[in-house]
Amino acid sequence: GENVEQHPSTLSVQEGDSAVIKCTYSDSASNYFPWYKQELGKRPQLIIDIRSNVGEKKDQRIAVTLNKTAKHFSLHITETQPEDSAVYFCAANGGAGSYQLTFGKGTKLSVIP
Amino acid sequence: EAEVAQSPRYKITEKSQAVAFWCDPISGHATLYWYRQILGQGPELLVQFQDESVVDDSQLPKDRFSAERLKGVDSTLKIQPAELGDSAMYLCASSGAYEQYFGPGTRLTVT
Repeated sequence: GENVEQHPSTLSVQEGDSAVIKCTYSDSASNYFPWYKQELGKRPQLIIDIRSNVGEKKDQRIAVTLNKTAKHFSLHITETQPEDSAVYFCAANGGAGSYQLTFGKGTKLSVIP
Repeated sequence: EAEVAQSPRYKITEKSQAVAFWCDPISGHATLYWYRQILGQGPELLVQFQDESVVDDSQLPKDRFSAERLKGVDSTLKIQPAELGDSAMYLCASSGAYEQYFGPGTRLTVT
């Protein structure tokens, strides 16, 4: 089955700086890669996703890049704000047409004012 | 905006007791998932439904866990008997395609 590794497990940045979280996956057939943000005590929220037919996707201050050859994808947050503090999870599906997701272990991001 | 609903939000039970969790997916979503999330880790899939049929329950501990989605809409996850190691957040999610949307979860504490 799919295996997703996520790094780092914790990340602290100063407000206004950029944050980058990286994930690798094992199944070359995976074609859907979402990112979720989970604030303390709340549900995971889908913040951005990317399909394997594109290399980069942006939505305001967040962007995701995908390198299919290397089987890794990254989340980039620019101009970080205190409200970006949360746990972020990457995930990958189980191949073309599969809706099933395997999640990484999460990155706890702290933005220091 | 439609959301996935779950109840109860919190449940405390003694070991060996039975517990049940309920999930109401976003209207029109054919696929429903139950996940278990241990503190500090990512969600782990327990069972996936497509309409009323189980697609994958390979990670469901079937000696004590059961799940059903009888009419292909809402779903129930049951644990009987509960064990101390079952303490976790139980999350339900639904999808119409690739994008999965999560409910608020049920925080289970087994004492």
